[in-house]
Amino acid sequence: KNEVEQSPQNLTAQEGEFITINCSYSVGISALHWLQQHPGGGIVSLFMLSSGKKKHGRLIATINIQEKHSSLHITASHPRDSAVYICAVRPGETSGSRLTFGEGTQLTVNP
Amino acid sequence: NAGVTQTPKFQVLKTGQSMTLQCAQDMNHNSMYWYRQDPGMGLRLIYYSASEGTTDKGEVPNGYNVSRLNKREFSLRLESAAPSQTSVYFCASSETRYYGYTFGSGTRLTVV
Repeated sequence: KNEVEQSPQNLTAQEGEFITINCSYSVGISALHWLQQHPGGGIVSLFMLSSGKKKHGRLIATINIQEKHSSLHITASHPRDSAVYICAVRPGETSGSRLTFGEGTQLTVNP
Repeated sequence: NAGVTQTPKFQVLKTGQSMTLQCAQDMNHNSMYWYRQDPGMGLRLIYYSASEGTTDKGEVPNGYNVSRLNKREFSLRLESAAPSQTSVYFCASSETRYYGYTFGSGTRLTVV
């Protein structure tokens, strides 16, 4: 079993829909990251969370440390949101800032 | 623009050839990393450098070597490339205290 599990693996939505991507992890962490990867492109950091909730534009990320669970929400989705969204955790016991990654969620938003 | 610069962006090697992937960051980050990304799998850590002068193995170090040349640069070397090393390679850096991560644009490597 992977230390970081994402669901769903694939998600197709219509423009304007509210989207939720989930991430569950099995280890103690000091931080959780949400990343975005466009086709053929690099990886961009969206959020880093250690507790609570963060919001940036139409994106909202939440984390529940006790339940070892995080969600990424996209409001009023748009075709340009189509990308792979990756959850990654920084295990609390490791040195440095190494991350353990989920496999990613492929999001397609149709016009 | 500040960030992480990787070269080359694309490379095709024959089995047994060697090459070095270059990575440089201009954000004065202490930690640097090399990851590989394969279809159906999350990014996996090859090697990392928590600070200048130190390097450590990650999950999948076999077949690779690294050099932290200075605080800015962290290179990844394939001494004898194998088809199993066909992958997309990402360099990243972070400021340990704030845990922020910045990724390079990736190197798509094919070994034939």
